[in-house]
Amino acid sequence: AQTVTQSQPEMSVQEAETVTLSCTYDTSESNYYLFWYKQPPSRQMILVIRQEAYKQQNATENRFSVNFQKAAKSFSLKISDSQLGDTAMYFCAFMRAGSYQLTFGKGTKLSVIP
Amino acid sequence: SAVISQKPSRDICQRGTSLTIQCQVDSQVTMMFWYRQQPGQSLTLIATANQGSEATYESGFVIDKFPISRPNLTFSTLTVSNMSPEDSSIYLCSVLEGAITGELFFGEGSRLTVL
Repeated sequence: AQTVTQSQPEMSVQEAETVTLSCTYDTSESNYYLFWYKQPPSRQMILVIRQEAYKQQNATENRFSVNFQKAAKSFSLKISDSQLGDTAMYFCAFMRAGSYQLTFGKGTKLSVIP
Repeated sequence: SAVISQKPSRDICQRGTSLTIQCQVDSQVTMMFWYRQQPGQSLTLIATANQGSEATYESGFVIDKFPISRPNLTFSTLTVSNMSPEDSSIYLCSVLEGAITGELFFGEGSRLTVL
């Protein structure tokens, strides 16, 4: 079974600054996907970024980028130029290729301070 | 991406009653899932809703408690039966957007409070 660990229950960052959210996972699978989802107070789960395990290049989506360290089983999310709208719960998630089932971490509550 | 609508958005229910949550997608999707998010917790997969056949339940979830229907490729329902306060959660419908990318998209969720 896979496990996903987010060791930071809460974090805060000043507006326009950069913040990194940590995520580690444990799996014996070789082919999988990793995701970061954002859940604002509206409850809507929004996909932020995804990474295929077979790709060495780190995924980026505008202000969001990941640091994927496969050997260390680490998958951190960096948010640059933080905006007030980034305030949300952030969940790291694992998916074994072909299963289409997500295993979530417990989440990190991020607050962006004006 | 698919637009997913869930009803009800929220509800307050009495102990012992049952409630059915609907999930409507604006396009045909191959795979639909139901997740539960207990207060202050992460999401846990309840089951995979299979079109035309019985849902596939995860460990700890049973059909008698969480019956699921999926009559077609755009619609599914989840019923929470004989509710107790421990069932107070957000229930989220999710659809597979791309079989190759593995991307799942979620509805806004249904917040149930059981008194």
